[in-house]
Amino acid sequence: AQKVTQAQTEISVVEKEDVTLDCVYETRDTTYYLFWYKQPPSGELVFLIRRNSFDEQNEISGRYSWNFQKSTSSFNFTITASQVVDSAVYFCALSERSGGYQKVTFGTGTKLQVIP
Amino acid sequence: DGGITQSPKYLFRKEGQNVTLSCEQNLNHDAMYWYRQDPGQGLRLIYYSQIVNDFQKGDIAEGYSVSREKKESFPLTVTSAQKNPTAFYLCASSTPRPNTEAFFGQGTRLTVV
Repeated sequence: AQKVTQAQTEISVVEKEDVTLDCVYETRDTTYYLFWYKQPPSGELVFLIRRNSFDEQNEISGRYSWNFQKSTSSFNFTITASQVVDSAVYFCALSERSGGYQKVTFGTGTKLQVIP
Repeated sequence: DGGITQSPKYLFRKEGQNVTLSCEQNLNHDAMYWYRQDPGQGLRLIYYSQIVNDFQKGDIAEGYSVSREKKESFPLTVTSAQKNPTAFYLCASSTPRPNTEAFFGQGTRLTVV
């Protein structure tokens, strides 16, 4: 069975600090996909990034960066120089094929509060 | 603009009544999903549908029902059998491929009074 663990329930940082959100996953499949989503107070989840199980290349996009390590089954997300607008709940998700259907498992989310 | 529309945004229901949450998408996606979000529990899958006239139970389907008569629409009915229906409900759609991201609506907050 697949599982996603986000051990950090809530994190508070002061604006301009860097912050890393942790994500650890479990799966028996060799082919799978990992995602990060952001949920601002408005409620709608917004897609941030996708990684497939064959691509361990880390990525940087502006102030965001992601560190995917298969050896530790982790897909961590770092925000550099955090801003108040980064305050939201962040979800890590794992997607794989299951019985002919796409099955997505979400973590419990990490609530990030950036204090001005 | 393409996207997913959920309505209403807030919904109040008396205990013992059924209520239907609307979800419409114009993204031409085959797959649609309903999730329930409770504090500290993340998103839990209620039902999903990969094609019209077909849907599957998710992890917490008891007390819920769905239909998929049109590609664009995937309404969710919360029945009186659902013991604890007060929650935030999110609808999503995607292509059926596992490597594609889901697009989410803005959610419906259901409160049972």
